[in-house]
Amino acid sequence: DIQMTQSPSTLSASVGDRVTITCRASQNINSWLAWYQQKPGKAPKLLIYKASLQTGVPSRFSGSGSGTEFTLTINSLQPDDFATYYCQQYNTYSTFGQGTKVEIK
Amino acid sequence: QVQLQESGPGLVKPSETLSVTCDVSGYYISSDYCWGWVRQPPGKGLEWIGSIYHSGSTYYNPSLKSRVTISVDTSKNQFFLKLSSVTAADTAFYYCARQGESGYDRLEYWGQGILVTVSS
Repeated sequence: DIQMTQSPSTLSASVGDRVTITCRASQNINSWLAWYQQKPGKAPKLLIYKASLQTGVPSRFSGSGSGTEFTLTINSLQPDDFATYYCQQYNTYSTFGQGTKVEIK
Repeated sequence: QVQLQESGPGLVKPSETLSVTCDVSGYYISSDYCWGWVRQPPGKGLEWIGSIYHSGSTYYNPSLKSRVTISVDTSKNQFFLKLSSVTAADTAFYYCARQGESGYDRLEYWGQGILVTVSS
């Protein structure tokens, strides 16, 4: 099984901050990685796929990385961005990271 | 606009089979893409269950494979999840989703989810 480890688990930030979330894979997944945003009581929403390709989300969301280390960056955090973020590998089967909660500082 | 909607019993007894249906609108399942299931225990993280092509080819999470069956009815534009021999650990929100073109792929469109509780 490919394990996905996100860090940090919780992140406290203020509106306007630049936020970076890291996702590490236990083995090489090339660029087969997606990022999702989930708000309480809602389904996850796809933000980024193939590590860096956007899905029509605001341009402040960007993804980078390949192999085993990946990052999701949110430039100038907005009030609507406080949520939990998950990474997902889909190189071999599919597994998710444990999530990173972005909360208001 | 692709829309997905889960339906099914909200309560299942231990050892029985959980069944959830996903109704798809705005896109014909028979056209393309893979269609998947993901679950999330309340307050916890996401787990991919498996997926199915419109042709019927299936892909399952190895940890659930012995208990999972995913099927499709293109005439009704629906696909289905069955999970057998359930226990309390299977209590979760169950989401259906349209994946990309591959059996293992990003999940582009999601249903709102349905909470299924396993309890006697």
